[in-house]
Amino acid sequence: DAKTTQPTSMDCAEGRAANLPCNHSTISGNEYVYWYRQIHSQGPQYIIHGLKNNETNEMASLIITEDRKSSTLILPHATLRDTAVYYCIVRVAEGKLIFGQGTELSVKP
Amino acid sequence: DAGITQSPRHKVTETGTPVTLRCHQTENHRYMYWYRQDPGHGLRLIHYSYGVKDTDKGEVSDGYSVSRSKTEDFLLTLESATSSQTSVYFCATQAGEETQYFGPGTRLLVL
Repeated sequence: DAKTTQPTSMDCAEGRAANLPCNHSTISGNEYVYWYRQIHSQGPQYIIHGLKNNETNEMASLIITEDRKSSTLILPHATLRDTAVYYCIVRVAEGKLIFGQGTELSVKP
Repeated sequence: DAGITQSPRHKVTETGTPVTLRCHQTENHRYMYWYRQDPGHGLRLIHYSYGVKDTDKGEVSDGYSVSRSKTEDFLLTLESATSSQTSVYFCATQAGEETQYFGPGTRLLVL
């Protein structure tokens, strides 16, 4: 499975969009990009995933570059409850998830 | 998500004692996983199962064994607990190619 690189931490003002980047330059054609988040001491929570096209659901949007070497998770209107560690993971279908260190997002009032 | 429960949620035990953690799911998902999470290491895969009686090792399997006699239950056993196994343990389930969902976790302290 390809590895990912994320910033260690980011801040975002409440109500503003949070844009979390992820680099996955060695991603293979059959690997999906998944995003999870973990709020302190809870189990990781699935957010969104995609293969080639941009995706949107009720929680977030996922923008994947045309060459698929990087992606951005967008939380359109961050709230204090979005403060968490966000993990970007690439994996093949039915493949194992390999967690990195993630990005610690702090949403501030 | 995926009706995952873990028991116990908290446990304190002594070095050398056996410990079994249980993961139970209600969604009939094929795949089940056990992870541990420690400061500075993120989540690391211990063992996983791709069906009843079908299990395989993850990246940190030493000192752990698993069993899956029913689709809904995946047991993680520490045969002789050590202080290095103090951690938070998460179970996850997955249906085929779909998303992996996580349980609430079990905090284990080995004294």
